[in-house]
Amino acid sequence: NAGVMQNPRHLVRRRGQEARLRCSPMKGHSHVYWYRQLPEEGLKFMVYLQKENIIDESGMPKERFSAEFPKEGPSILRIQQVVRGDSAAYFCASSYLGLSGNTIYFGEGSWLTVV
Amino acid sequence: AQTVTQSQPEMSVQEAETVTLSCTYDTSESNYYLFWYKQPPSRQMILVIRQEAYKQQNATENRFSVNFQKAAKSFSLKISDSQLGDTAMYFCAFMKMNRDDKIIFGKGTRLHILP
Repeated sequence: NAGVMQNPRHLVRRRGQEARLRCSPMKGHSHVYWYRQLPEEGLKFMVYLQKENIIDESGMPKERFSAEFPKEGPSILRIQQVVRGDSAAYFCASSYLGLSGNTIYFGEGSWLTVV
Repeated sequence: AQTVTQSQPEMSVQEAETVTLSCTYDTSESNYYLFWYKQPPSRQMILVIRQEAYKQQNATENRFSVNFQKAAKSFSLKISDSQLGDTAMYFCAFMKMNRDDKIIFGKGTRLHILP
């Protein structure tokens, strides 16, 4: 059973370009979370999605950032007009809410560098 | 709002010693999950241990165990017989036992295991 898959692992963008980060959840998982980790800091929640539905986007910056989790295909975190401050590791996680309880599994992260 | 506090930014112990990492949290919820995640230099987020708040018995995973004090809202992690591979950032995390909620992380404790 493959884990949470994120790609690209590393992405370099010039200021003003767009960054797209993709996340395929674990098989059978219908919930996806995106977190951002700045250097030497903890993980900050950004957005929580189910397929075709945003559950909680309270951690998303109001501008330039968007996320989706379509019925088919991976979840995508999109950052428009990137700035240097967007340089960070972006982690995706997925979960399955079953009777046995809830555990969130993380991908290996996507490192965005804005130059 | 829920908060998670890790009061030890950094710790060092000798290999084979036992070390305890502290974590406190604040919530008005009665049912929730608590987690410890490990982030080694590879930056991957690895689940170490999970505790359900309704369970009185402390969770244990091999050399890792927790001391869960619900009334005090404390959730410390004990690592016995520490190994060099335990060197990592350790994050305490909280999640409401709710179908639509996110996981909240503390700022982390950087643990160094010394040879």
